[in-house]
This record gives sequence, C-alpha cells and structure tokens, in this order.
Amino acid sequence: KQEVTQIPAALSVPEGENLVLNCSFTDSAIYNLQWFRQDPGKGLTSLLLIQSSQREQTSGRLNASLDKSSGRSTLYIAASQPGDSATYLCAVPIREYGNKLVFGAGTILRVKS
Amino acid sequence: GAVVSQHPSRVICKSGTSVKIECRSLDFQATTMFWYRQFPKQSLMLMATSNEGSKATYEQGVEKDKFLINHASLTLSTLTVTSAHPEDSSFYICSARDAVQGSRYGYTFGSGTRLTVV
Repeated sequence: KQEVTQIPAALSVPEGENLVLNCSFTDSAIYNLQWFRQDPGKGLTSLLLIQSSQREQTSGRLNASLDKSSGRSTLYIAASQPGDSATYLCAVPIREYGNKLVFGAGTILRVKS
Repeated sequence: GAVVSQHPSRVICKSGTSVKIECRSLDFQATTMFWYRQFPKQSLMLMATSNEGSKATYEQGVEKDKFLINHASLTLSTLTVTSAHPEDSSFYICSARDAVQGSRYGYTFGSGTRLTVV
C-alpha cells in the first residue's frame, strides 16, 4: 500500500529565505509525482508535475526533484515571499486503483514579512 | 492550462434538502473525475471516483445513496448530497485528469464548494 509522508508538518520562515519541503513515498513504482499548494478555503493549485523519468522540474522560484529509487521528492522554494504562505501537498497516482491520488498530510508554510 | 470549474463555491441549505455540486473540465475531456471532502485543518479525503458513462466507485464508508454522483458527459460530473444534515457540512472539492494527456499533465482541481447545512 502506497503511503506518502511530508516533513516538516509546519514551517515558519522570514521572508527571503530559501527552503526545502520533503516528501517520501513507500512504493517506488510511481509514474509521476505532483506538488500542489492549497490556500485556506480554496481548492488545490498544481505547482509542478514530475515524471518518473525526470530528476527535476522547475517553475519560476520553485524546483522539484525526484529520486524514485529512494522514494523521495523535494520542493525547493527560492527567495520565499509572504504570498508563498499556504499548505503544500505532494501526491502520487496509483495506476492499479484507477489512478487515484495518494496525498501526504501536507506542510503548512508561513513566510513572515 | 487545464481548468476545472466547480459550482457553487458556497451553498447554505436546510436540513433534509438536497444540494447539487457541479464539476466541469473546461478545456479538456475527463473520463474520470474525483470527489473529495475536507474537514477543517485536515487533509483531503477521497469520497468517490466518477466514471463517464458508468457507475461511480465509492470509497469505503461513503454512502452511495447519500452522495449521488453522475458523470453523464466527458466534461461534467455532479455530486448531489441528498437529505443533507448538519454533519454533511464540509468543503467538497473535485478534480479531473485529461483523458488523453493525463499522465503528462496530472490532475487539476476545482476551487471547492463550502456546504453549510442548517
């Protein structure tokens, strides 16, 4: 059974810091991994999708890496801003169960101005 | 990019009435859509998988007759909360995956519906 864990559960940093969010998964037979952010009372916004054949993906100040063999992914946020404050979730689809997503519990990020 | 529209964003209804929530994929076709429920400060809980043209697949513990799902077209799935009670009050979110490019583009989520049953 696939399980996804995110560390840390919460993070509070001053504006401008570079930070790393961690995601680990127990079954390395994934075909992709997706990072989302969720603002309070809102739906999920897709940040990055990284395929199993890729080692990293970048979008602006965000960089996601994937080490499939070790069951880990990291989301790197450069020069954090107060607007980055949100809950960050990683998720992997399970092909044999209709591609439904398994989520981590999330990292609550607060960037202080 | 892929967009999923979810309506309404907020709804307040009386106990015993039914509420319908719509989830539309605007620029892609989705043979599969997913319905989630989220309680305050908790993670998403998958309720059911909506399959176009066939019956939905419900997760364990989710009442099929309580949460009716219809996926009549490749761009629309609806969730109807029947005979709503205060304990059904929650945040409901749908997601969809492109039928053709799904593995390439991943999942897109709606903006969610805040249901309050009074």
